[in-house]
Amino acid sequence: GDSVTQMEGPVTLSEEAFLTINCTYTATGYPSLFWYVQYPGEGLQLLLKATKADDKGSNKGFEATYRKETTSFHLEKGSVQVSDSAVYFCALSRYSSASKIIFGSGTRLSIRP
Amino acid sequence: GAVVSQHPSRVICKSGTSVKIECRSLDFQATTMFWYRQFPKKSLMLMATSNEGSKATYEQGVEKDKFLINHASLTLSTLTVTSAHPEDSSFYICSAAGTSGNYNEQFFGPGTRLTVL
Repeated sequence: GDSVTQMEGPVTLSEEAFLTINCTYTATGYPSLFWYVQYPGEGLQLLLKATKADDKGSNKGFEATYRKETTSFHLEKGSVQVSDSAVYFCALSRYSSASKIIFGSGTRLSIRP
Repeated sequence: GAVVSQHPSRVICKSGTSVKIECRSLDFQATTMFWYRQFPKKSLMLMATSNEGSKATYEQGVEKDKFLINHASLTLSTLTVTSAHPEDSSFYICSAAGTSGNYNEQFFGPGTRLTVL
């Protein structure tokens, strides 16, 4: 069945460091891909998405590119801030984010001032 | 974005009792609501999908008689954990999705921590 694998955390970086969180997926067809973020004490929020191969999703300085050839959707940010500390989930859906979503295990990110 | 609330945020109960968790979409009509369970340091696992006015669709391995889901209106869904046992202790998260425009995605509640003694 469909699945998502992402790098285990926790990941600890200094402020202004470069961030990469790896994510690969297994799915038939052409799923939509997402990154969700969960800040402490809050519900998951959609961070960015891509719906077809070579699409780049971006938001709040974060980017991820839908790579069909490597079945990957790695999350990157050029300069992280303390406020980026959160848990990040890579996810996929066969249709849209309004339908069934399969999540990765989550990566906890901590940014040191 | 849209707001989804859950109540209670935390509940502790004795083994054998039933617990009801509410999920509400506060500013939009949710035609579909989802219930997830999250284990420590694990991913969210979808338990069931419910559409307003119809029976919920449960994922494989989820006991529908154990986890009763009701989606009686476009703004409210409830999850009742019946005869709860310590292994039911977990973090339960709901999400809600509309069908049009900006609401055609899942919006997540903050979760409910259930502890069964």
